[in-house]
Amino acid sequence: QKEVEQNSGPLSVPEGAIASLNCTYSDRVSQSFFWYRQYSGKSPELIMSIYSNGDKEDGRFTAQLNKASQYVSLLIRDSQPSDSATYLCAVNPQGAQKLVFGQGTRLTINP
Amino acid sequence: SAVISQKPSRDICQRGTSLTIQCQVDSQVTMMFWYRQQPGQSLTLIATANQGSEATYESGFVIDKFPISRPNLTFSTLTVSNMSPEDSSIYLCSVEEASSTDTQYFGPGTRLTVL
Repeated sequence: QKEVEQNSGPLSVPEGAIASLNCTYSDRVSQSFFWYRQYSGKSPELIMSIYSNGDKEDGRFTAQLNKASQYVSLLIRDSQPSDSATYLCAVNPQGAQKLVFGQGTRLTINP
Repeated sequence: SAVISQKPSRDICQRGTSLTIQCQVDSQVTMMFWYRQQPGQSLTLIATANQGSEATYESGFVIDKFPISRPNLTFSTLTVSNMSPEDSSIYLCSVEEASSTDTQYFGPGTRLTVL
């Protein structure tokens, strides 16, 4: 089992709809969770971090964490064509000063 | 967040040669990391660059192939040695600031093509 798993997609969502991106992780005691956005040919850009169970909202983005289910998700409301990118989930395993990345989900927002 | 630059931004190299990639940060940072992103793939951590001591390498990566230096808190280099076409990749440095535990910010990357 991979440490961090994402559906690689591609995920296609109409403009204005909610895009839902999912990520599961294997290390039960992981403490820190991150979502990065990567446009084609660019480096990853941090969107959200989340450390506690529940929801964390930042503008059109909401991160959701459920440690019991080892599941973290990212919701993008009112999706825009500019949201089209690859979204990377990253997890900091307990006791390790590093991030482990999922394979990324390619998201396309259709006008 | 810190401003990170990398040099070169891209290069085309011949098999058997070596390339040194530089990563410069505009402020002192506690942790610096080097990643590889192969075409169409996600990020794989190569090593953690430790200031004043040897880098800590991940499984599958060795110092002879990827020597790393970190002479101070704002600068690091990664050398890709004795290159083969399989080393064609994007190499990214990232930093973790003291004020944001576990959070990493990435440089613009170096796109390497080995012929």
